[in-house]
Amino acid sequence: KQEVTQIPAALSVPEGENLVLNCSFTDSAIYNLQWFRQDPGKGLTSLLLIQSSQREQTSGRLNASLDKSSGRSTLYIAASQPGDSATYLCAVRPSGQNFVFGPGTRLSVLP
Amino acid sequence: EAQVTQNPRYLITVTGKKLTVTCSQNMNHEYMSWYRQDPGLGLRQIYYSMNVEVTDKGDVPEGYKVSRKEKRNFPLILESPSPNQTSLYFCASSLFGTITDTQYFGPGTRLTVL
Repeated sequence: KQEVTQIPAALSVPEGENLVLNCSFTDSAIYNLQWFRQDPGKGLTSLLLIQSSQREQTSGRLNASLDKSSGRSTLYIAASQPGDSATYLCAVRPSGQNFVFGPGTRLSVLP
Repeated sequence: EAQVTQNPRYLITVTGKKLTVTCSQNMNHEYMSWYRQDPGLGLRQIYYSMNVEVTDKGDVPEGYKVSRKEKRNFPLILESPSPNQTSLYFCASSLFGTITDTQYFGPGTRLTVL
């Protein structure tokens, strides 16, 4: 059964710092991996979607990488800002329609 | 504005009292899904629907029902709620549910069953 873990569970950094969030999954047979941002009271917002054939995706200050063989993905946030404070979730799609989510990393960026 | 809406946003109820959480999307998406989120467990899929009149179980379907009579609506029904169904519920939709699709999430419904 596919399991997704995220490290660290929580992270606090000063504004302007570059940071990396980690996601690991146990079964490398996935179709894609998606990173989401969760803000209280606002649901989840998709940040980046990486297909299994891709190695990375970039959007603005965000860069996500995928290493399927080792079961790992990282989300790199450059020049962090207080507005980046949120919980970040990764989700993999092993087969069919069933997404498997990690527990999330709670990020606080201090002004 | 393209969005997924859920109602109610907050609900406190008692064991055994039937309730329905509505979900509606205005993006003409064919795929819709319900998740619950619990501390330490992440989001787990309850049910999903590939199109009108087509629904299927996710990871944790016990105690829930769904229906998809119209493309835009996908209500979640708890016929006899129990305290272990206290959770944060999210509805999501995507265009076709294919592997290249991005999911769009509603704002969540916080349910407490006493």
